[in-house]
Amino acid sequence: ETGVTQSPTHLIKTRGQQVTLRCSSQSGHNTVSWYQQALGQGPQFIFQYYREEENGRGNFPPRFSGLQFPNYSSELNVNALELDDSALYLCASSFDRIQETQYFGPGTRLLVL
Amino acid sequence: AQSVTQPDIHITVSEGASLELRCNYSYGATPYLFWYVQSPGQGLQLLLKYFSGDTLVQGIKGFEAEFKRSQSSFNLRKPSVHWSDAAEYFCAVGTGTASKLTFGTGTRLQVTL
Repeated sequence: ETGVTQSPTHLIKTRGQQVTLRCSSQSGHNTVSWYQQALGQGPQFIFQYYREEENGRGNFPPRFSGLQFPNYSSELNVNALELDDSALYLCASSFDRIQETQYFGPGTRLLVL
Repeated sequence: AQSVTQPDIHITVSEGASLELRCNYSYGATPYLFWYVQSPGQGLQLLLKYFSGDTLVQGIKGFEAEFKRSQSSFNLRKPSVHWSDAAEYFCAVGTGTASKLTFGTGTRLQVTL
């Protein structure tokens, strides 16, 4: 059974640019959630996708957007990057959207200069 | 809105000593509670979870946690710590919808030999 994978592992961008992060969910999982973890903080919920539809969103601006594909993999897109977007971005998948344990990938570390 | 408090930012214990990491939550309904561990630069690994039933739950690596509704707590314990347990530990509470997880700020565990 393959776990949650994310790509790339590290990324450096400059302010104002756009970035796309990718996540492959664990086999059999149809729900993907994205979290932002700033240095020294706990992860903060960005949004969740269930069967290709957004199923909840945290307190993040619209320049954070996402997609989920028919194979349940997912992308996180961030436009107009700001310095404060520098963080570890974590993807988690779960078997279903409600009351299900979330399994996390290794994360993508984004640095915005 | 739900919240999680981990009052101890940093704890140091000797190898072989017992460990207790504190977690207090705030949530109006029955909580779904989790403990995750994060090694430096890595994603989150699930240690254990509480959904319902027996309030003492067993997890991986010899960890256990006890849910106390009257104290709104879900403390993590281990009877004998190993040097490999050094990591960051996060407590999280989940809601019944959207599987959004709210994390605490984490407790960094240092193990001395």
